[in-house]
Amino acid sequence: AQSVTQLDSHVSVSEGTPVLLRCNYSSSYSPSLFWYVQHPNKGLQLLLKYTSAATLVKGINGFEAEFKKSETSFHLTKPSAHMSDAAEYFCVVSDYPLGGSQGNLIFGKGTKLSVKP
Amino acid sequence: NAGVTQTPKFRILKIGQSMTLQCAQDMNHNYMYWYRQDPGMGLKLIYYSVGAGITDKGEVPNGYNVSRSTTEDFPLRLELAAPSQTSVYFCASSQYLEGAYGYTFGSGTRLTVV
Repeated sequence: AQSVTQLDSHVSVSEGTPVLLRCNYSSSYSPSLFWYVQHPNKGLQLLLKYTSAATLVKGINGFEAEFKKSETSFHLTKPSAHMSDAAEYFCVVSDYPLGGSQGNLIFGKGTKLSVKP
Repeated sequence: NAGVTQTPKFRILKIGQSMTLQCAQDMNHNYMYWYRQDPGMGLKLIYYSVGAGITDKGEVPNGYNVSRSTTEDFPLRLELAAPSQTSVYFCASSQYLEGAYGYTFGSGTRLTVV
């Protein structure tokens, strides 16, 4: 069965410094992996997705993530944090292979990112 | 471009009351989902639908019911509200069942049962 572990429940950075949000997954198949962001009292917005194409995936707002099969990781990074990046971030794995008969997203428990001025 | 619209945004229910959370999408997506989000727990799938007239249980379906009479609408029904159903509920839709291309989420319904 697929699962996803976000290694930090809370990350705090200063504005202008790099962001690293860590995610490990387990999957019996070639997974589809996503990062979603949720700003306070808002819905979830797709940041980026990996679907077995390039291993380095670029998303919106300067975020990117690298799929590392040998490490079963899909960490989210950004070179320079902005105050508007403060939000909760969810790493997500799709629990069936492409073309499967069912579909479901398995969510990590989330990482809350705080950005200090 | 409305996307996925959820109503109401907030609701307080008394134990034993019933209510329907509404969800509508205007993207002609076949696949729709209901999730609940509890603090520190990520999102858990309640029910999903692969098309009009077809629904199936997710991970945490107890205490809920759904129907899908049209492609656009996917309401979630709570028949006898319990405090354990206090949560934030998100509806989502997708073009592809396996979610490989991501889901579009509504802005959520915050439900409190007292």
